[in-house]
Order: sequence, then C-alpha cells, then structure tokens
Amino acid sequence: GAGVSQSPRYKVAKRGQDVALRCDPISGHVSLFWYQQALGQGPEFLTYFQNEAQLDKSGLPSDRFFAERPEGSVSTLKIQRTQQEDSAVYLCASSSTPGIGYTFGSGTRLTVV
Amino acid sequence: EDKVVQSPLSLVVHEGDTVTLNCSYEVTNFRSLLWYKQEKKAPTFLFMLTSSGIEKKSGRLSSILDKKELFSILNITATQTGDSAIYLCAVGGSGGSNYKLTFGKGTLLTVNP
Repeated sequence: GAGVSQSPRYKVAKRGQDVALRCDPISGHVSLFWYQQALGQGPEFLTYFQNEAQLDKSGLPSDRFFAERPEGSVSTLKIQRTQQEDSAVYLCASSSTPGIGYTFGSGTRLTVV
Repeated sequence: EDKVVQSPLSLVVHEGDTVTLNCSYEVTNFRSLLWYKQEKKAPTFLFMLTSSGIEKKSGRLSSILDKKELFSILNITATQTGDSAIYLCAVGGSGGSNYKLTFGKGTLLTVNP
C-alpha cells in the first residue's frame, strides 16, 4: 500500500481484556517496528522485525506483550490482560533499510478503563 | 543508555514569528539525527542529519547538526497556524542496534493567528 496502515484507530478495553493491534506496512518494506507513545512522551521502542524474524524485543514492557509477523508482511501486537498503564498510542513503522527512512502509521490509541 | 532532551517542551507564538527548537543528545556510536512533525498521531519525517555543520532546508524549515556539542536545532521562519504540532527529535546509533531510534519528549508548538 501507499502508507503504513494500522487498525483499529481507537480501542477501548476493560482492564484484564486481551487486545490485538494490526499493522500493515508499506509493500516490500523488510523492516517493521512497534513503538509505544504515552501521553506527553516521545515514542519508545518496543520491538523490531526483519521480514518474519523478530530480531529485537527488548522494549516489550512485560511478558503480557507479544508481537508477530508470521509471513513477513502484516504484524500484530497483542497485549494480554490489559492494565491501565498500557494506555498509550501504539505506533507501527516500516522501512526498506534499517535505521533509515522510517514511515510511521497513524497509530492505535488504546485506552484501558 | 541513549538520551535525547528537547527544549522547550512547549511554545506559543503568533503567525509570522520565527521559532528555534532545540535537541541535545547522548548516544553510543552516533549515526543519525532525525526530526519528525507529529500532528494527531502519525509522526511525519522532516529531516535526517548525519554530518556536522551542514544545513538541511525545506521551504520555511531548516535544521543543522553540531556533532561536537551534541545538539541540533530546527528553525521555522514565518510560522503559520498549520505549523502547530509536536516536533520530535530522534537519534539513531550504529552497530548492533542501528535500527532503533531514541526519541525526545517533543516540543509542542502552537501558532496562533
């Protein structure tokens, strides 16, 4: 596609509920990233994929967070047993070359109530 | 740990004013510094700087990097209401984590008519 597409745009979850956030990167982009942006903060790195391989998941805040990219294109970020501190905008980005030229999606705003 | 500090955190100006946004950083094995504009949710790419002293320019926006003093500035001349946004500065390192960006908290710019 022309840009990075994320869905849903907004998600309200009750505390304890599981959520799944989807990212459709730019066609042909090998690298895919997830970032978390809390209110008033800059984006913080969560995880990085090169094709289907998850090369770095050091930024995932807990084992309730899980990301996958099984076919090297679409990625899903799953959060189990959501908590209020998970409320944030989750940004996905893709790039043809690691470290250069990220294109971000519009993000998913997750609110946990 | 890589660190990016932006100042001011917020700024209110009138249309036509010139603004200067600051970004200082500490990063292991510096590779690049990037500026993004964030309206609503998606950060959009403005500039990438890798060399000291070379100004990047795009219309009314310009940016310069000082690798010796570890900072960058983003200038916006003749501001317009459409420039109102959060401006994010990010740095990328080289080596094993060259794909990862470390962001500052951003500067919230409000341009009043």
